[in-house]
Amino acid sequence: GAGVSQSPSNKVTEKGKDVELRCDPISGHTALYWYRQSLGQGLEFLIYFQGNSAPDKSGLPSDRFSAERTGGSVSTLTIQRTQQEDSAVYLCASSLVEGGHYNEQFFGPGTRLTVL
Amino acid sequence: AQSVAQPEDQVNVAEGNPLTVKCTYSVSGNPYLFWYVQYPNRGLQFLLKYITGDNLVKGSYGFEAEFNKSQTSFHLKKPSALVSDSALYFCAVRAYGQNFVFGPGTRLSVLP
Repeated sequence: GAGVSQSPSNKVTEKGKDVELRCDPISGHTALYWYRQSLGQGLEFLIYFQGNSAPDKSGLPSDRFSAERTGGSVSTLTIQRTQQEDSAVYLCASSLVEGGHYNEQFFGPGTRLTVL
Repeated sequence: AQSVAQPEDQVNVAEGNPLTVKCTYSVSGNPYLFWYVQYPNRGLQFLLKYITGDNLVKGSYGFEAEFNKSQTSFHLKKPSALVSDSALYFCAVRAYGQNFVFGPGTRLSVLP
């Protein structure tokens, strides 16, 4: 079956422009996560969606960052007025949440964002 | 607050030798522990997890990890390393009601 997909795979933008990054999770996965990975660094949690619950936005670094998940499936991460420090790989992951246990996350290939 | 430490930025091992990638964690409550691998220019792939039960868990590609509650560790091991195991390895922890927290990663180089 299809895995997590993300688009675009690469995005180059100018400082100050807005960008939208898209994530298509695995069908039936109720949990969706966004992370940011800077060059050679670990994963920085950004935001978490679980079913119809209010998203956990505690990892968003500033109010320039926002995310939506429409219909419990596709998610869009929007960065407004991009800055050079926003350059990173943005990873999306999805997982099942069942039986009170936490299942592994399945990651997409990421979107490499470069802000000039 | 939850945290994960991977004390080694880089681990070098000769092909055929056993390998260990270390991970220690700090959580409130029972931990759920995970290992992921990231090959160059690819997304993260799940290797194995500990939720409950047997402290030794086996995963993909011949990897295993041992949960040690007293030492709060979850070290990744493989009896015989392959050059193709060279990659970036991430340990992650989650406790009930908390988000996933990933370690900083350990770069494994297996030398032929």
